[in-house]
Amino acid sequence: EVQLVQSGVEVKKPGMSLKISCKVSGYSFTNYRIHWLRQVPGKGLEWMGIIHPGESDVRYNPSFDGQVTISVDKSINTAYLQWSSLKASDTATYFCARGSEYDLKAPIDYWGQGTPVSVSS
Amino acid sequence: EIVMTQSPAVLSVSPGERATLSCRASQNVRSNLAWYQHRPGQAPRLIVYGASTRATGIPARFSGRGSGTEFTLTISSLQSEDFAVYYCQQYNAWPPIYTFGQGTKLDLK
Repeated sequence: EVQLVQSGVEVKKPGMSLKISCKVSGYSFTNYRIHWLRQVPGKGLEWMGIIHPGESDVRYNPSFDGQVTISVDKSINTAYLQWSSLKASDTATYFCARGSEYDLKAPIDYWGQGTPVSVSS
Repeated sequence: EIVMTQSPAVLSVSPGERATLSCRASQNVRSNLAWYQHRPGQAPRLIVYGASTRATGIPARFSGRGSGTEFTLTISSLQSEDFAVYYCQQYNAWPPIYTFGQGTKLDLK
């Protein structure tokens, strides 16, 4: 069974750093791309970026480029999304999700449960 | 960036009724269109991809149609578990920027 299990709720202050995780199981981690997406409270879904764990190819939505870093640790089948300096506007729920094995023009087929992040002074 | 526009924002229907959700793309996305179901507190679930192909395990009451810029998702006879928010998403853009509609909330009438 394909599973993407995300790390838990985070409560941070502006300026702090943060790294959230997405541990996958049930398939070959290095074969399938991983997306990261954001959902601000009461809003829709925004695509942040995508990484190919086997090739370390990372592409960012220009709206998020330079604001976050997407990475993986192949030894533990885990993808990460990190911030060096959080802002209040980063308050949202963040989802990891599985993309295609071969093609960037492909749907997302499995999602994590989401990691709520709250940033407030 | 390709803008996806969904209508209506909220659709109130009764169990057993038919629901039709619409999605429009600002540019031609061919058939590179997916629909997702999102229940509160749960992970979103892929319902349809390629505009009209049901994902694994999705009941036949869900059907997707369209290509280019106009798409619909129809649920033929609503069950209680179908009340959720539905998002359309295009995955045609190059360089890749995947964009979603703002969602249609299917509400119990």
